[in-house]
This record gives sequence, C-alpha cells and structure tokens, in this order.
Amino acid sequence: DAGVIQSPRHEVTEMGQEVTLRCKPISGHNSLFWYRQTMMRGLELLIYFNNNVPIDDSGMPEDRFSAKMPNASFSTLKIQPSEPRDSAVYFCASSFSLNEQFFGPGTRLTVL
Amino acid sequence: AQTVTQSQPEMSVQEAETVTLSCTYDTSESDYYLFWYKQPPSRQMILVIRQEAYKQQNATENRFSVNFQKAAKSFSLKISDSQLGDAAMYFCAYRRTGNMLTFGGGTRLMVKP
Repeated sequence: DAGVIQSPRHEVTEMGQEVTLRCKPISGHNSLFWYRQTMMRGLELLIYFNNNVPIDDSGMPEDRFSAKMPNASFSTLKIQPSEPRDSAVYFCASSFSLNEQFFGPGTRLTVL
Repeated sequence: AQTVTQSQPEMSVQEAETVTLSCTYDTSESDYYLFWYKQPPSRQMILVIRQEAYKQQNATENRFSVNFQKAAKSFSLKISDSQLGDAAMYFCAYRRTGNMLTFGGGTRLMVKP
C-alpha cells in the first residue's frame, strides 16, 4: 500500500488566493483527519471525518477554511482567501475505526 | 478538555546511551490511549509506541519503552541504546473520543556521536 497520499507537497501562493490541499487515505480506512502544524501552535486537529461524514470540525480556524470528503478515497481542505498566517504544514491522516492513525507526508503551505 | 504537556523542548543523548522523554496529560476519562510519535526531518509522523490506559503493563517496542503512571497522568518514553537515527522531534499524544488525537508540544531529541 502506498500509504496516505497528499498533494501538493509544497505550495506557495499569494495572500488572497484560493488554496486546495488534497488527500487520498489508505484504502479500507474509514476515518480521515486533517491536522495543521505550526511552530507557535504545534499540531492541531482541524477536522475529522468518519465514513465520509464530518464528525468534528471544531478545530477549523474560521470560515475561510472548508473541508470535504466526497467519497472514501478522497478529501480536500480548502482555504479561501488565504492569509500569511495560514502558512503551516498540513497533515492528513487516516485510520480504520479506532486503530492507529497513519499520517501522510504533509503539505508545506507558504502564503506570501 | 484534554491537554498534553511535554516539558522538555530539547533533549540530548550520547549515542548508545539511554534517554527519557517526559509527558504529562490531563483528562477526566478512565479509558483512553496514549501514543508517542516520531517526526524526523522528513516531517513524516511515525508511530513509535502505544499504551492502552486499562493495561497496567508498560508497552515496549524493541529499544523503546514507556513508563505509564496512570494515577500521576504521566507517560514517559525511554529510548535505550540511542542511535543517530533516533534524532527527531518526539510528540506525545492522547487519543480521545472518536479517535481524535491531542498532541503535546514536542521534544527535539539530539543524538551525539
């Protein structure tokens, strides 16, 4: 298995632009998580899906952030409009039920 | 709310020696899981070891072991025979309802040759 796949690995954009981060979870996993990692705030859970349904989005910073999971093999995290303070590494992780979470390699986002 | 605290921002160990990384957590739950993740410079988050709160026996994975003190809400990681490849950020994590993880702030481990 290829593991959790995230794209792009690096994204540089200008303030105000829309950014879309993509994640393909491990086949067979039914839970998907989006995390954000910054120096100031560490690793934070943004949103959690179970069986494609958002269960907890209390970590989503504000309305500029949205996440979707249209099917079991794909999820997106969108930021519109982006701001410099959104610069961070965004991780996607997946798991089967309550088992171990497997993390993707992350997307390093830089908003200028 | 659950919180996880790692009080050591950085630790250093000599190759082949033993080092212990500290972690404390706060929870009102009685059944939960605790984890240690390793994040090398590649940024990949790698699970090192896990501990179920209902188990009294401390988890062990090769050179990695934990000292789980449930009453004290302490969960330290011991790395024996440290290797250069162990150099990384280490994160302690608490798993709460729904399999959501709360992470500590991390400890950067440096291994000196």
